[in-house]
Amino acid sequence: SQQGEEDPQALSIQEGENATMNCSYKTSINNLQWYRQNSGRGLVHLILIRSNEREKHSGRLRVTLDTSKKSSSLLITASRAADTASYFCATDPWTYKYIFGTGTRLKVLA
Amino acid sequence: GAVVSQHPSWVICKSGTSVKIECRSLDFQATTMFWYRQFPKQSLMLMATSNEGSKATYEQGVEKDKFLINHASLTLSTLTVTSAHPEDSSFYICSARESVNEQFFGPGTRLTVL
Repeated sequence: SQQGEEDPQALSIQEGENATMNCSYKTSINNLQWYRQNSGRGLVHLILIRSNEREKHSGRLRVTLDTSKKSSSLLITASRAADTASYFCATDPWTYKYIFGTGTRLKVLA
Repeated sequence: GAVVSQHPSWVICKSGTSVKIECRSLDFQATTMFWYRQFPKQSLMLMATSNEGSKATYEQGVEKDKFLINHASLTLSTLTVTSAHPEDSSFYICSARESVNEQFFGPGTRLTVL
């Protein structure tokens, strides 16, 4: 069964706005990663956050992790048209086998 | 981060032929590699775990005779789609585990079976 469910499934925003995507999972995890995938292309690693971490930043990206709620969020600030892509969370339930969420399709309108 | 490559990046083949996809860890040794499959507009689903020097372990519902996995060295795993059919057309992505917490994904291989 799929570990991660992402919300929303699709998101359309204007350039310059912030985009927030949420990921919920079912079991205890070792760590969680966020990936971006442009249409028809491979995965691009964004951020890894470990279970003992609550927040991480990378450029315009901010990831939070709430293990008590089994959820994570990815915030992209000041979005750009180039941020248009699908975003996936992937969780490691202490098995080293990452399980991917359903993904959020983000569209940033210029 | 570490680099994982896949070859080819895309392949088109006729129905009934076999296709081999390579996954290489370029700057680290990976005792464990993973193979994922992604259908259009869907998420990635784990197919199998490839362990160097031993048999691969397959996820439920994945045909081991259909998807042959060989992990002959610490830097190379191969996935062979045997007797491919149009329904096997998909995006295949591998990942390699460098350490306990670090796993890196390849760029993916798009397979189209005519």
